[in-house]
Amino acid sequence: QKEVEQNSGPLSVPEGAIASLNCTYSDRVSQSFFWYRQYSGKSPELIMSIYSNGDKEDGRFTAQLNKASQYVSLLIRDSQPSDSATYLCAVNVEGNNNDMRFGAGTRLTVKP
Amino acid sequence: DVKVTQSSRYLVKRTGEKVFLECVQDMDHENMFWYRQDPGLGLRLIYFSYDVKMKEKGDIPEGYSVSREKKERFSLILESASTNQTSMYLCASTLRNTGELFFGEGSRLTVL
Repeated sequence: QKEVEQNSGPLSVPEGAIASLNCTYSDRVSQSFFWYRQYSGKSPELIMSIYSNGDKEDGRFTAQLNKASQYVSLLIRDSQPSDSATYLCAVNVEGNNNDMRFGAGTRLTVKP
Repeated sequence: DVKVTQSSRYLVKRTGEKVFLECVQDMDHENMFWYRQDPGLGLRLIYFSYDVKMKEKGDIPEGYSVSREKKERFSLILESASTNQTSMYLCASTLRNTGELFFGEGSRLTVL
């Protein structure tokens, strides 16, 4: 079983809809969770981080974490065509010199 | 502005050649990383370094070595390139004990 798993997609949503991206992880000691966005041909950039159970909102983005279920998600409200990208879930295993593990990514397409 | 610079965006090498990929960051970050990214596999950690002259193996270190003689510079070396090392290589850096990785633009290596 992979350490960090994501549905590879592609996920397609119409403009203005909510896009829901999901990620599960296998390491129970994982403490920090991140969502990176990667446009085609570009390098990943951090868009959200979450450290405790519950929801964290930043503009149109909401990250949700459930450590008991080992599940983290990203919701994008009012999706725009400019949100079309691959979204990478990353998990940091604390106490391991900042060893960050990535999922394979979910490709999102927002159709006008 | 945060900057991670990779020396080459595109390289084409022949099997058996020695390849150097260089990465420089200007943020005084302690930690630096080398990942490779392949379709469907996401980002896989090759090596990381948490201090000058210190290095740790990641998930796929075979066929690679690294060098960190100065804090700002982290080099990835392929001693004898092989076709299965054709990939996108991404360098990243971060402050110790934070999870926000800053990525370079990537180096796309083709080994013929």
